[in-house]
Amino acid sequence: QKEVEQNSGPLSVPEGAIASLNCTYSDRGSQSFFWYRQYSGKSPELIMFIYSNGDKEDGRFTAQLNKASQYVSLLIRDSQPSDSATYLCPYSGAGSYQLTFGKGTKLSVIP
Amino acid sequence: KAGVTQTPRYLIKTRGQQVTLSCSPISGHRSVSWYQQTPGQGLQFLFEYFSETQRNKGNFPGRFSGRQFSNSRSEMNVSTLELGDSALYLCASSPGGSAGRETQYFGPGTRLLVL
Repeated sequence: QKEVEQNSGPLSVPEGAIASLNCTYSDRGSQSFFWYRQYSGKSPELIMFIYSNGDKEDGRFTAQLNKASQYVSLLIRDSQPSDSATYLCPYSGAGSYQLTFGKGTKLSVIP
Repeated sequence: KAGVTQTPRYLIKTRGQQVTLSCSPISGHRSVSWYQQTPGQGLQFLFEYFSETQRNKGNFPGRFSGRQFSNSRSEMNVSTLELGDSALYLCASSPGGSAGRETQYFGPGTRLLVL
């Protein structure tokens, strides 16, 4: 069964610290990887996507992908209380329009 | 550019009834996907439509169905509602031409409560 494993948390970090979120995948056919943020009672909003091995940076966010290890991570630098949310890391497989999600990691940034 | 819209935003139904939810994708997007989100199961894929055709289907019973119109708007229908169908139903749109590489943008969702 194709799965996404995420630490459900909650992960608590102090304001200004680096938050590190991780996901592992069981599907070796996974092709594209996404990070979404979901505030309580709201719908997921895209943070970034990553297709290739290595790092991808966008502002305070850095995604890291290692396809051989089937692992993707998200670093949030200078964490703010407004970053407190559930983070989702779905993937899509080759030739697919379906996103497969894990349960998400709840992040709490403490002022 | 306007985002994905979903109507209605909230619904209360009773067991055995049926419900229809609507989704309008981002202008120019031709792919619409539907997901169900519950606290226990998280986000699960229902189905995906492109050019009025269902291309992908998740592992849900036949009570869950959908369709897409020529203007890319989509509807999903749940018949014979069960208590377990209470969930947030999310619609997501994407351009539809790059399988495995497309970013999906989510609408605000329809929260369905089945009593």
